Amino acid sequence: QKEVEQNSGPLSVPEGAIASLNCTYSDRVSQSFFWYRQYSGKSPELIMSIYSNGDKEDGRFTAQLNKASQYVSLLIRDSQPSDSATYLCAVKMDSSYKLIFGSGTRLLVRP
Amino acid sequence: ETGVTQTPRHLVMGMTNKKSLKCEQHLGHNAMYWYKQSAKKPLELMFVYNFKEQTENNSVPSRFSPECPNSSHLFLHLHTLQPEDSALYLCASSQGVSSRSSYEQYFGPGTRLTVT
Repeated sequence: QKEVEQNSGPLSVPEGAIASLNCTYSDRVSQSFFWYRQYSGKSPELIMSIYSNGDKEDGRFTAQLNKASQYVSLLIRDSQPSDSATYLCAVKMDSSYKLIFGSGTRLLVRP
Repeated sequence: ETGVTQTPRHLVMGMTNKKSLKCEQHLGHNAMYWYKQSAKKPLELMFVYNFKEQTENNSVPSRFSPECPNSSHLFLHLHTLQPEDSALYLCASSQGVSSRSSYEQYFGPGTRLTVT
C-alpha cells in the first residue's frame, strides 16, 4: 500500500473555478502535512503547511486536514492558467526529518 | 529563489566518468537532503544529513556517494553511473531542529543529469 496517495489526473478546470486536490496517507500518527507546486521542468515549491485539523487559508489557497479520515486537501479558488502545474502532497510520518511524497496531481486550468 | 542553489544545472556524463553535484543553502538550516526525480515517478529520497551527520541512506547504490562538509554544503559524488540513473537530482534543506516548521523543506533548482 502506498504511504501517500494522490490521483495523478490531469484535473482540468476552467479559469475562475475552484480546483480541489486530494491526498490520503496511511500513517495515522502523522503530524505534519505539506503541499508543493511543481511546474514542468522546475523543482517543487512549498505553498502550504498544515499541522492541525481544519482549514488553513493563504490567499487563494486553502489546505484542509482531517486526521480521523487521514486525508488532506488543497483548494485553489479563482484558478488561473498560471496555476497549471503538478501539486505534490508530502507527509511527515515518523520521528525523522524525512517527508514522504505522493506522486502528484497534474492540474490544468483552461483559459 | 528559495535560498538553495545547485550546480551544475545540467550534466551529461558517460558511464565511466566521475562527476560531482554541489548544493549550497543560505537559509541557516541544519538538515539537507538529496532526492532523485525520474519521469512519471514520485520523488525518491536518497540521503539525509542533519548537523553534518548522515541520518538516512535510502538503500542507494554505492555509485552515489554523498558528502556534507558543513551544514551549508552538500555534495553528491557520481561514478560509473548507469543510463537508468538519468534523472533530475534535487537538493533540499530544512531547519533540522525540533519544531513543526523545521520539517518544511525548500528545494534547489535541481541538476538534470543524463548518463550516456
